Amino acid sequence: DIQMTQSPASLSTSLGETVTIDCRTSEDIYSSLAWYQQKPGNSPQLLIYDANNLADGVPSRFSGSGSGTQYSLKINSLQSEDVASYFCQQYNNYPLTFGSGTKLVIK
Amino acid sequence: QVQLQQSGAELAKPGSSVKISCKASGYTFTSYAMHWIKQTTGQALEWTGYIAPGSGGTKYNEKFKGKATLTVDKSSSTAYMQLSSLTPVDTAVYYCARAEVPGYWRFAYWGQGTLVTVSS
Repeated sequence: DIQMTQSPASLSTSLGETVTIDCRTSEDIYSSLAWYQQKPGNSPQLLIYDANNLADGVPSRFSGSGSGTQYSLKINSLQSEDVASYFCQQYNNYPLTFGSGTKLVIK
Repeated sequence: QVQLQQSGAELAKPGSSVKISCKASGYTFTSYAMHWIKQTTGQALEWTGYIAPGSGGTKYNEKFKGKATLTVDKSSSTAYMQLSSLTPVDTAVYYCARAEVPGYWRFAYWGQGTLVTVSS
């Protein structure tokens, strides 16, 4: 199984700031990586696919980057509605696997 | 629009089984695989497997073989996951999910989740 190492586990930051969440995979996944946002009590929502493509309806302050085994999610100009947990997921190999999540809170 | 409507919360005793459902609408049910994903209260997400409604073919995460059984009813556009020999570690929210593009398993559509609680 491909291991997903996501960091940090939690992040406290201020409105308007920029945050970066990292996801490292145990082997090359050839950019087959998605990022999800999950707000409390809700289902995950797709933000980014193929490492750097914005899903439909997702604000442009979200962006993804990376290749090989190293990937990142960046959120510019943090808004209050961005308070959520964020997960990465690889879909290059079975079983599909997810990162352990990053909980983002506002200071 | 694509909608995945899941059945309600279940409370089950250790050793028993539960069967949860996911009713799809807004698209051709047989054209897209239905995946199932487990989320524990610690937030970890685990992919259970998928079923291709058109053929009935399945692919399971090895970890869930013998635990989860995926089926569909094409007449009602409903997918099911049965969980057997329940133990407290099976307590979780279970989601059904569908990809935007067949074969590219990133999930644009999710059900609202079904909480399964295993307790005596």
